[in-house]
Amino acid sequence: DAKTTQPTSMDCAEGRAANLPCNHSTISGNEYVYWYRQIHSQGPQYIIHGLKNNETNEMASLIITEDRKSSTLILPHATLRDTAVYYCIVQRYGGSQGNLIFGKGTKLSVKP
Amino acid sequence: ETGVTQTPRHLVMGMTNKKSLKCEQHLGHNAMYWYKQSAKKPLELMFVYSLEERVENNSVPSRFSPECPNSSHLFLHLHTLQPEDSALYLCASSHPRGHEQFFGPGTRLTVL
Repeated sequence: DAKTTQPTSMDCAEGRAANLPCNHSTISGNEYVYWYRQIHSQGPQYIIHGLKNNETNEMASLIITEDRKSSTLILPHATLRDTAVYYCIVQRYGGSQGNLIFGKGTKLSVKP
Repeated sequence: ETGVTQTPRHLVMGMTNKKSLKCEQHLGHNAMYWYKQSAKKPLELMFVYSLEERVENNSVPSRFSPECPNSSHLFLHLHTLQPEDSALYLCASSHPRGHEQFFGPGTRLTVL
């Protein structure tokens, strides 16, 4: 079973920030938080990962609470092309040292 | 485009057929993965290869047979499949200690 809990679906207006929450209350000290997304009928796409500190890249920001029991993925200016299923995954590594266990994710719908 | 290609993109086969799915990457990765995504179910990891050796086999039926002849190529040989094996089959690659997995576009398999 996935170690994370995410809302089933969310809506966001185009141009606004999309904030996607994830609960991972049983996370271990050496486990990372990964975010992937899957646009309909395509392969998943890596977005960002973090251990303790907040992270930002060209796609998104990741905010991890101090106790590491939850996190939020932020898409600062959502576009229609950001409509996808977003997966929050907790794992030791993202490569073959640790296997990604995908849950059901959050279906984000960006609306004009 | 992630640099991971899969062929064919679509495949229809009968239960008595033998077919193979192919995955190719020239990203310099030496870990490769097969995932299965059935309708309305989360992605399931099937096999992991690291440095051309199989390191993970998640209780997959023997009618699925993986092959990794070199670090750039991964095959999934299929024989005597069942209709419930119809799914999207995704290949991914990464550095063994890398955080990001790069997914291909998938092969949509239909078993009649």
